[in-house]
Amino acid sequence: SQQGEEDPQALSIQEGENATMNCSYKTSINNLQWYRQNSGRGLVHLILIRSNEREKHSGRLRVTLDTSKKSSSLLITASRAADTASYFCATDATIQGAQKLVFGQGTRLTINP
Amino acid sequence: DAGVIQSPRHEVTEMGQEVTLRCKPISGHNSLFWYRQTMMRGLELLIYFNNNVPIDDSGMPEDRFSAKMPNASFSTLKIQPSEPRDSAVYFCASSPTPRGSFITDTQYFGPGTRLTVL
Repeated sequence: SQQGEEDPQALSIQEGENATMNCSYKTSINNLQWYRQNSGRGLVHLILIRSNEREKHSGRLRVTLDTSKKSSSLLITASRAADTASYFCATDATIQGAQKLVFGQGTRLTINP
Repeated sequence: DAGVIQSPRHEVTEMGQEVTLRCKPISGHNSLFWYRQTMMRGLELLIYFNNNVPIDDSGMPEDRFSAKMPNASFSTLKIQPSEPRDSAVYFCASSPTPRGSFITDTQYFGPGTRLTVL
């Protein structure tokens, strides 16, 4: 199964509301990242949080990390139509002796005007 | 900075044909990654290079896939012969990976190549 799994798979909210997405992972990590992907585009890095950090902010984004629960959340405050995209969490994992960045399946976020 | 550049952006080919995807990483980045994205399997790492050397190719599906990085500013992913199940979006990403950092730190993605094999 996936190292990182997002929840929910899809989220639809009204513009101006807050959006919260969650990510759970299975093994210990050095860092966890969130990426955004607009339709038909590449992934864009949003924020990286290290395993010794509990919370990080970047503009309207707030990321929390709970290593005891092996989970993270991404909060987007005061959502805008332009926030419509898929959001992926990515965690580092050692697979067959090699360190890799493993992406979850993503949360599709739709902001309704 | 132009970001990671990939070409072509779209490729339609027939089964059995050779396909070559190209990538120019961000200048100064010493790690380069090739990913494949499909609805069924999500985003999968195929191979990555560090300082032009292939480090891990365990994600390459089979011998039909090969990747090269002849210099710090260019990489190719080749599929020969192509099959319909290779249809996907292929992304190239690069990372600065400074000394002491993790290979799994921030990655910068290109726009992708959408490959359709008929």
